Amino acid sequence: TQLLEQSPQFLSIQEGENLTVYCNSSSVFSSLQWYRQEPGEGPVLLVTVVTGGEVKKLKRLTFQFGDARKDSSLHITAAQPGDTGLYLCAGDNYGQNFVFGPGTRLSVLP
Amino acid sequence: NAGVMQNPRHLVRRRGQEARLRCSPMKGHSHVYWYRQLPEEGLKFMVYLQKENIIDESGMPKERFSAEFPKEGPSILRIQQVVRGDSAAYFCASSPDRQGGNEQFFGPGTRLTVL
Repeated sequence: TQLLEQSPQFLSIQEGENLTVYCNSSSVFSSLQWYRQEPGEGPVLLVTVVTGGEVKKLKRLTFQFGDARKDSSLHITAAQPGDTGLYLCAGDNYGQNFVFGPGTRLSVLP
Repeated sequence: NAGVMQNPRHLVRRRGQEARLRCSPMKGHSHVYWYRQLPEEGLKFMVYLQKENIIDESGMPKERFSAEFPKEGPSILRIQQVVRGDSAAYFCASSPDRQGGNEQFFGPGTRLTVL
């Protein structure tokens, strides 16, 4: 059974701070997605990474896919209250299914 | 291009009743996935369907739960004889196909409350 672990589970920081959250697995995925989910809403896709070692930037968010395509990180620079939410990573199992991690709950305090 | 649509957004049922949750995928998407999310938890995969076919139902409970994606119309997740433990948010996602690097796009969810 493929599993994705995310750390930390909870994170509370002040506005303006930087942070990194992690998504790890012992399995290799063909691609990996990051989503943000706000209370009462569905997850919203942020990015897909496909190539080992790939780095993608989305404004203040930087996503990296591990060389072995087993892990990923999300770094947020100068966090803002609008970044608050549940960050989910999901691994694409070569077209068979998607595996979701349990998420990191981020709270950015003004 | 409308996103993934789910209805109803909120559904209240009494124990023993049936719940029907509907999902209309994005235009051009032929792959549908259903997930369940309990409060303060991540998404749990339930079932993956293509038009008229169930591809992977490894996350579906063996009893009371069923899903379909007919040739015409929305995908339906059906829960018979609901129990309080079925209370959760149910999300549907769609993707255009399953060839490398395709993402899922999620609907807003249906929040089921069983009294």
